[in-house]
Amino acid sequence: KQEVTQIPAALSVPEGENLVLNCSFTDSAIYNLQWFRQDPGKGLTSLLLIQSSQREQTSGRLNASLDKSSGRSTLYIAASQPGDSATYLCAVRPGSSNTGKLIFGQGTTLQVKP
Amino acid sequence: DVKVTQSSRYLVKRTGEKVFLECVQDMDHENMFWYRQDPGLGLRLIYFSYDVKMKEKGDIPEGYSVSREKKERFSLILESASTNQTSMYLCAVQGSYSSYNEQFFGPGTRLTVL
Repeated sequence: KQEVTQIPAALSVPEGENLVLNCSFTDSAIYNLQWFRQDPGKGLTSLLLIQSSQREQTSGRLNASLDKSSGRSTLYIAASQPGDSATYLCAVRPGSSNTGKLIFGQGTTLQVKP
Repeated sequence: DVKVTQSSRYLVKRTGEKVFLECVQDMDHENMFWYRQDPGLGLRLIYFSYDVKMKEKGDIPEGYSVSREKKERFSLILESASTNQTSMYLCAVQGSYSSYNEQFFGPGTRLTVL
């Protein structure tokens, strides 16, 4: 059974710092991996999607990497800002699923202090 | 981007009431999902649908049913609401083609059952 883990559960950094959020999964047979952001009381906003054949994706200050063989993905945030404060969730789509079912990690809550 | 709307942001109901949560998308996407999100448990899939009048059980379907009469609309029904169904409910949408297999989420409905 696929399980997704995000460590740490919470992270606090000063503004301007570069940081890395971690996501690990137990079964390397995935179709893709998606990173989301969630603000308190709100829905999820898709940040980046990495297909299983890709190694990384970039969007602005965000860079997500994928290493299927080791069951790991990282989300790199450059020059963090207070507006980046949110919960970040990663989710994998199992390789056997053709219906889009995602399996989510518990998330990392990030606080960026001014 | 796909726009996903949910009928209510906040809802308060009494135990035993029948509750309808509606989700509407503005794109012609086949796959729609209902999740609930609870502290410490993360996001859990309740039901999903990959076409009109089609539905599949997710991980926690007990106490819920769904309806998909039109492609753009996916309803979650709590036949007899109970206090343990107090939660944040999130709808998601996804296309079936490889270029569009990102999941997009609605803003969520915070349901309280008294």
